[in-house]
Amino acid sequence: AQSVTQPDARVTVSEGASLQLRCKYSYSGTPYLFWYVQYPRQGLQLLLKYYSGDPVVQGVNGFEAEFIKSNSSFHLRKASVHWSDSAVYFCAVSTNNNNAPRFGAGTKLSVKP
Amino acid sequence: AQTIHQWPVAEIKAVGSPLSLGCTIKGKSSPNLYWYWQATGGTLQQLFYSITVGQVESVVQLNLSASRPKDDQFILSTEKLLLSHSGFYLCAWSLRSFSNERLFFGHGTKLSVL
Repeated sequence: AQSVTQPDARVTVSEGASLQLRCKYSYSGTPYLFWYVQYPRQGLQLLLKYYSGDPVVQGVNGFEAEFIKSNSSFHLRKASVHWSDSAVYFCAVSTNNNNAPRFGAGTKLSVKP
Repeated sequence: AQTIHQWPVAEIKAVGSPLSLGCTIKGKSSPNLYWYWQATGGTLQQLFYSITVGQVESVVQLNLSASRPKDDQFILSTEKLLLSHSGFYLCAWSLRSFSNERLFFGHGTKLSVL
């Protein structure tokens, strides 16, 4: 079965700094990978997704992620964070078996002004 | 445009009392529907999914049940709440039963069991 690991429960960065949120997955086949963001007291919103092709995928609000198969990773990056990026970020993986994605534990991002 | 509405926004319930949470999707016929549970500060645990009316699959046992009485409606319920049921419940839908489809989430219901 597939699994997702987000090793950092909390990340704090200063506004304007660069950001990387880590995600590693475990699955023997080719996964479908997602990053979702959850703002306080809200549901999740899709940031970006990877199915195939270019391993670097662009998402909304300047986010991007890179699929590195050899490392089983799908880290999320942003060149310059804004205070409004403070939220919880979830990495998710699904496979071609009709089940909904499995989510990581989430990383809570706090952006200091 | 498709919309997803969850109700209620929040609930405070006593241990042992019944619960019913609802989710309605408008603007999309025959969506796949999902219930997720999120413990405070925790990850998302998929509870149920439904591909069609009247058909619900359980993913994990938490003394909860789900039903899909209409194409656009998904209900989560229990006759007897436990303290461990506290958390944030999210309903979601996707276009098809292929797992490479993105999920669209509702705003969630915060449940506090006292």
